[in-house]
Amino acid sequence: DIVMTQSPDSLAVSLGERATINCKSSQSVLYSSKNKNYLAWYQQKPGQPPKLLIYWASIRESGVPDRFSGSGSGTDFTLTISSLQAEDVAVYYCQQYYSSPFSFGGGTKVEIK
Amino acid sequence: EVQLLESGGGLVQPGGSLRLSCAASEFTFSSYPMSWVRQAPGQGLEWVSTVTGTGDSTYYADSVKGRFTISRDNSKNTLYLQLNSLRAEDTAVYYCAKDTVTLDFYFDLWGRGTLVTVSS
Repeated sequence: DIVMTQSPDSLAVSLGERATINCKSSQSVLYSSKNKNYLAWYQQKPGQPPKLLIYWASIRESGVPDRFSGSGSGTDFTLTISSLQAEDVAVYYCQQYYSSPFSFGGGTKVEIK
Repeated sequence: EVQLLESGGGLVQPGGSLRLSCAASEFTFSSYPMSWVRQAPGQGLEWVSTVTGTGDSTYYADSVKGRFTISRDNSKNTLYLQLNSLRAEDTAVYYCAKDTVTLDFYFDLWGRGTLVTVSS
């Protein structure tokens, strides 16, 4: 099974500043023949279901603000919020969909400093 | 509005059974694989099960294999999860989630969830 490890567990960032969340998979989620990383990012606000932000490691879902970006390949990935807004307070999860069971990271809680 | 609405959660004793439902609206339900993902109180997310658009193929996490059964009724735009032999560790909010049409196993639409509590 692929284990997804996120860091940090939580971070506090000032409004307008950059937030960076890391996600590491225990084995590569890059499907070489397709040149695709099977990695998604979700945002979960308090009391709400998760919302898809990024898929294929770097493709922003329709309607997601462009301050959210995903990068990385193989086993190491990053979600960046370029300029943190108050409405971005949430827990963020990465998920691999390379192989079953389709596992999630433990989550990173983002707060305002 | 495109949405998913779960129901059927509640309090059940260990060893008991429950059936969850998820009603889909405003998209071509039969075209999309559908999944269940759960979240234990205060914890992270765990993929549980997926069914293809036709219902012909199903996939399960090892933790629920043999105890849970996913199914769908495309004539009713409804997804189901039958939960049997429930354990305390099955206590969670169960989310219904829509997969991509190409069965990629990531989820672009989620319901608000239904809480299952397993306790005596």
